[in-house]
Amino acid sequence: DAMVIQNPRYQVTQFGKPVTLSCSQTLNHNVMYWYQQKSSQAPKLLFHYYDKDFNNEADTPDNFQSRRPNTSFCFLDIRSPGLGDAAMYLCATSRTPGQEAFFGQGTRLTVV
Amino acid sequence: GENVEQHPSTLSVQEGDSAVIKCTYSDSASNYFPWYKQELGKRPQLIIDIRSNVGEKKDQRIAVTLNKTAKHFSLHITETQPEDSAVYFCAASPGGSYIPTFGRGTSLIVHP
Repeated sequence: DAMVIQNPRYQVTQFGKPVTLSCSQTLNHNVMYWYQQKSSQAPKLLFHYYDKDFNNEADTPDNFQSRRPNTSFCFLDIRSPGLGDAAMYLCATSRTPGQEAFFGQGTRLTVV
Repeated sequence: GENVEQHPSTLSVQEGDSAVIKCTYSDSASNYFPWYKQELGKRPQLIIDIRSNVGEKKDQRIAVTLNKTAKHFSLHITETQPEDSAVYFCAASPGGSYIPTFGRGTSLIVHP
């Protein structure tokens, strides 16, 4: 059974048109992460939530925002997608930082 | 922040051979080192991890070694099988945040 679920699996958006990616978890984990993964590159952490505490990476563009309305859900909002934002976006959870991360299947974003 | 280097980027072996993937990290306070396997079109999944108070850990055909002094750790797969073909990511979690930083991945190809 899927424990970290991302929707949609594939998303096509227009240049500059806001888009939201969603992630839900059934593990009741405290930490939720969003990673951006481009072809042949390492997953790059954008931000994470530890409970309600939001932690933004220093080099994450302002164009990227996140919301975590409750323990189970986390959203990634891209306010004005550019061509360079096309990537796989991976959501992950862990019980606490420093423990095994459970990944979703990812959402592949295409910007046209 | 933490910087993780992973080599090689591609590794091609014959079935039954051993495979070794190496990673180095920069933050001497890092204390958790997971390895993830990502098969084509699937989510990354943890295969083995090691903490800084241990030098080696084995799980059947997979082993991980850690050299804290040199700040490097390695994944060893013995008796490789075609189903081992995947991209393998190492990660290091620095003390304090414990948020994993990933290497860029190694594409392992096991030829029957």
